[in-house]
Amino acid sequence: QSVLTQPPSASGTPGQSVTISCSGSNSNIGRKTVNWYHQLPGTAPKVVIYSNNQRPSGVPDRFSGSKSGTSASLAISGLQSEDEGDYYCAGWDDSLNCWVFGGGTKLTVL
Amino acid sequence: QVQLQESGPGLVKASETLSLTCTVSGGSISSGSFYWSWIRQPAGKGLEWIGRIYTSGSTNYNPSLKSRVTISVEASKNQFSLNLTSVTAADTAVYFCARDHCRGSSTTCYSHYWGQGMLVAVSS
Repeated sequence: QSVLTQPPSASGTPGQSVTISCSGSNSNIGRKTVNWYHQLPGTAPKVVIYSNNQRPSGVPDRFSGSKSGTSASLAISGLQSEDEGDYYCAGWDDSLNCWVFGGGTKLTVL
Repeated sequence: QVQLQESGPGLVKASETLSLTCTVSGGSISSGSFYWSWIRQPAGKGLEWIGRIYTSGSTNYNPSLKSRVTISVEASKNQFSLNLTSVTAADTAVYFCARDHCRGSSTTCYSHYWGQGMLVAVSS
């Protein structure tokens, strides 16, 4: 049982937009920033959004993040096949005093 | 370019201690203000944060593992290490090391550089 809650799966066709949600509480998302990671099978995760809505260098502007209250979202526009994989949200939890992850969302590009 | 590489035994017996090392190249582990983290992932499951160590040596651990975990730095070798005691089958996972970049506070960080991950299996 993950501290942050994500839908297990999401899908879209090439060119479409998709949004992945991440629900937390006042001890994590409600007071701290959220990061999003993308992981392909057999590889290490890669950050695609940090501090709620910041894109690291090299991440396309098709990726955007937002946060409201105790929930956060990752939006991907203009879906491409390389966007497939698992997406994880993460944030610091003040009650646990540690980083917590969502359970992950498997994105399929149909 | 900073690179991280995990190393250690790929098989550990139950009740014994899992010990992994992360070797950092392309930058000194002692310079800058970074956290050095360990994260693990059981096969087919999600990510679990284990803990981190700051350049100064201060540590934070996942409370669910805190009684069994120690993370340390060996600056002379540009390495940091993970020790997890009294392992069980539930500790079988791919273990990743990572360098965290922080903006403004120790709780606004993200793992920017990652090792490729190392599978550690616990045998009974």
